[in-house]
Amino acid sequence: DQQVKQNSPSLSVQEGRISILNCDYTNSMFDYFLWYKKYPAEGPTFLISISSIKDKNEDGRFTVFLNKSAKHLSLHIVPSQPGDSAVYFCAAKDFGNEKLTFGTGTRLTIIP
Amino acid sequence: NAGVTQTPKFQVLKTGQSMTLQCAQDMNHEYMSWYRQDPGMGLRLIHYSVGAGITDQGEVPNGYNVSRSTTEDFPLRLLSAAPSQTSVYFCASRPRTGAGSPLHFGNGTRLTVT
Repeated sequence: DQQVKQNSPSLSVQEGRISILNCDYTNSMFDYFLWYKKYPAEGPTFLISISSIKDKNEDGRFTVFLNKSAKHLSLHIVPSQPGDSAVYFCAAKDFGNEKLTFGTGTRLTIIP
Repeated sequence: NAGVTQTPKFQVLKTGQSMTLQCAQDMNHEYMSWYRQDPGMGLRLIHYSVGAGITDQGEVPNGYNVSRSTTEDFPLRLLSAAPSQTSVYFCASRPRTGAGSPLHFGNGTRLTVT
């Protein structure tokens, strides 16, 4: 039972345009959502997070939107740069629980 | 600052062999965890620990053991390796303060079981 889903395995975007990565979840008890970025042969690195009591969080070129009624979150990258080419994982934390549940990842390729 | 250090980086085992994947962190994080990454499956939690002497199972614990005798170290033991355990293993840690505090990951151990 996949509680966190990333339905797009890959996405290609022109440099300078907006990249939008999507994530859906099923567990209403998730209280924090996080995005991680992963380059080959490296561990995932934290990008941005959002609490379930908010609907938007911004950090530089990265913005995460949360739609609780739809159980959907998205990561916007504007403008996209070649260094953004990586695999992006969304993750969710259960309320009162230490564990993080990850999605299957989306490979983003930025085309110069 | 080393962060989370995993050793070895690569390992090849024969079916039935045992081994220990090492993980150490120097950030005094109470929470530590092990994930495996497989194609199309994302990162799946194997075991985790909220402090020295305390461990618990994640989604896919079968075939793996852990212990936490110190805050810094969280080794993962494969008791009798199977081809299904071929994967990339990541150790991660975070402080327990701050509900949304992010995990810090090591660079992984790539394990092949033949």
